[in-house]
Amino acid sequence: QSVLTQPPSVSAAPGQKVTISCSGSSSNVESNYVSWYQQLPGTAPKLLIHDNDKRPSGIPDRFSGSKSGTSATLGITGLQTGDEADYYCGTWDNSVNAGVFGGGTKLTVL
Amino acid sequence: EVQLVQSGAEVKNPGESLRISCKASGYHFPGYWIGWVRQMPGKGLEWLGIIFPGGSQVQYSPSFQGQVTMSVDRSISSAYLQWSSLRASDTAIYYCARLSGPTLNKYYFDNWGQGTLVTVSS
Repeated sequence: QSVLTQPPSVSAAPGQKVTISCSGSSSNVESNYVSWYQQLPGTAPKLLIHDNDKRPSGIPDRFSGSKSGTSATLGITGLQTGDEADYYCGTWDNSVNAGVFGGGTKLTVL
Repeated sequence: EVQLVQSGAEVKNPGESLRISCKASGYHFPGYWIGWVRQMPGKGLEWLGIIFPGGSQVQYSPSFQGQVTMSVDRSISSAYLQWSSLRASDTAIYYCARLSGPTLNKYYFDNWGQGTLVTVSS
């Protein structure tokens, strides 16, 4: 059971928009920065978003992040079949003095 | 270019010891924490812990404290993850990743190794 809760799966058609939620608590999401990672099948995770809403260089602006209270959200617009992957949120947890990840969300582009 | 290159796949028997490595290049190794992440077959990412090569400080996730040992060799810019007695439940892919951010509570993993598959089976 992950400390951060994500929906197991989401799906949408090519060109559409999807959001993935990451629900935590006052000791993790609310107090600290959230990052998001994309894991394409058979590959290592890749940083998509850091500091709640900042994109590293090279990440398209189709990907966005936001946070409010104990929840964070990853948004992906203009969906492409190449976006099919597992997505994870991560943050620090003050109660265990360690990092934590969400359980991951599988994105299917129909 | 920042690179983290991990050692190759391992197949071990239960009870055996193992050390896997993560060699860093393209940046000042002592200046960034290195983290280790586990991914069991078909499962999500799990945060094992982090180590600071500049001073060898280590912070383990409570779930993994005592189960694994992290270390570094600054002379060859390498980080290590070690088990003294493997169990079948240690079967997983293990990733190393460079931690960025001004403080630990603002961390993120900006560069990842390719992963090391560890299989423990009799």
